[in-house]
Amino acid sequence: EPEVTQTPSHQVTQMGQEVILRCVPISNHLYFYWYRQILGQKVEFLVSFYNNEISEKSEIFDDQFSVERPDGSNFTLKIRSTKLEDSAMYFCASSEVGRGGTEAFFGQGTRLTVV
Amino acid sequence: GDSVTQMEGPVTLSEEAFLTINCTYTATGYPSLFWYVQYPGEGLQLLLKATKADDKGSNKGFEATYRKETTSFHLEKGSVQVSDSAVYFCALSDRGDDKIIFGKGTRLHILP
Repeated sequence: EPEVTQTPSHQVTQMGQEVILRCVPISNHLYFYWYRQILGQKVEFLVSFYNNEISEKSEIFDDQFSVERPDGSNFTLKIRSTKLEDSAMYFCASSEVGRGGTEAFFGQGTRLTVV
Repeated sequence: GDSVTQMEGPVTLSEEAFLTINCTYTATGYPSLFWYVQYPGEGLQLLLKATKADDKGSNKGFEATYRKETTSFHLEKGSVQVSDSAVYFCALSDRGDDKIIFGKGTRLHILP
């Protein structure tokens, strides 16, 4: 069964450092997403991406964040200068169709710890 | 804005007990509703969904009915198993919107 894969599963980084989280979405999907879950809190939408551009983003997704699809398979989330409050589980997801048309498939997540 | 409220956990039940996890929502439009499950050490998996009023989503013995009049989407299972122990998230996606809005999640423990 096709699945969304994320690497690494756990990343520890020092405050102020740049971090890149990587995702390989399901191959025939066209819409890609990042969500995050701070420990003990709800899963929050960060950004959606379609046709090589951001289609929607939340207030959380400020100038410190960026997304990229550098090749035909990877989808990355970059945090330029990490803060302690960026510590969270980050989930990548993909779907065939956007706008709530089909279900989104989620990866297992990357746990980011900023120290 | 749109939001989802679900019952606080953890919920602890004995095997074969009846399960209900309550979920209510507020939405400006006419959303699709979902239940996602997160097993220990794994990602979010779609458990079931419903896209219009009175639809019933079902999977693995779990059911939820889209109730527009009460803006609810309660999750039920007649007889839970130890393997159902997980965190359950109620969620919605408004039509015309990319994002899924999640509730806080309810941790379920099933005792043998």
